[in-house]
Amino acid sequence: KQEVTQIPAALSVPEGENLVLNCSFTDSAIYNLQWFRQDPGKGLTSLLLIQSSQREQTSGRLNASLDKSSGRSTLYIAASQPGDSATYLCAGFPMEYGNKLVFGAGTILRVKS
Amino acid sequence: NAGVMQNPRHLVRRRGQEARLRCSPMKGHSHVYWYRQLPEEGLKFMVYLQKENIIDESGMPKERFSAEFPKEGPSILRIQQVVRGDSAAYFCASSLQGYGNTIYFGEGSWLTVV
Repeated sequence: KQEVTQIPAALSVPEGENLVLNCSFTDSAIYNLQWFRQDPGKGLTSLLLIQSSQREQTSGRLNASLDKSSGRSTLYIAASQPGDSATYLCAGFPMEYGNKLVFGAGTILRVKS
Repeated sequence: NAGVMQNPRHLVRRRGQEARLRCSPMKGHSHVYWYRQLPEEGLKFMVYLQKENIIDESGMPKERFSAEFPKEGPSILRIQQVVRGDSAAYFCASSLQGYGNTIYFGEGSWLTVV
């Protein structure tokens, strides 16, 4: 059974810092991986999708990488801002059943001004 | 281009009543998914539908829960005879194609059972 672990569970940083969020899968056989952002009481906003043929994706200050051999992904946020404060979720499409996203519990990020 | 639209955003039901949650996917998307987020837990897959077909319902509770995506109109998640443990946020999502495509989520429907 595929399980997803996100580390750290919570993170508080001053504005301007670069930071890394980690995600790992118990079964490295994942097809694609998607990072989301969730604000309190809101839905999920898709940030980046890394497809099976890719190793990383970039969007603005965000960069996500995927090491399929180890089943690990990182989300790098450059020059963090208070508006980045949210819960960040990683989710994988397991090879075995590619239509179901398996989610981690998330990393709660707080960027202090 | 409107995103995934869910309604109602908040719903309060007494134990034993029925809850009906509606979802309109993004324009052009024919793949719809429902996920549930219980308090203090992560999101869990419930069901995957395409127009008029349930493709995968392996995450649905065996009783009281049903989902449909008719040829016309929104997808509906129906919960009969609700219990307190059904209180959760229910998220609908859609994608243009299946299997590993980018999935876009709605704002969620928060169900409270009193």
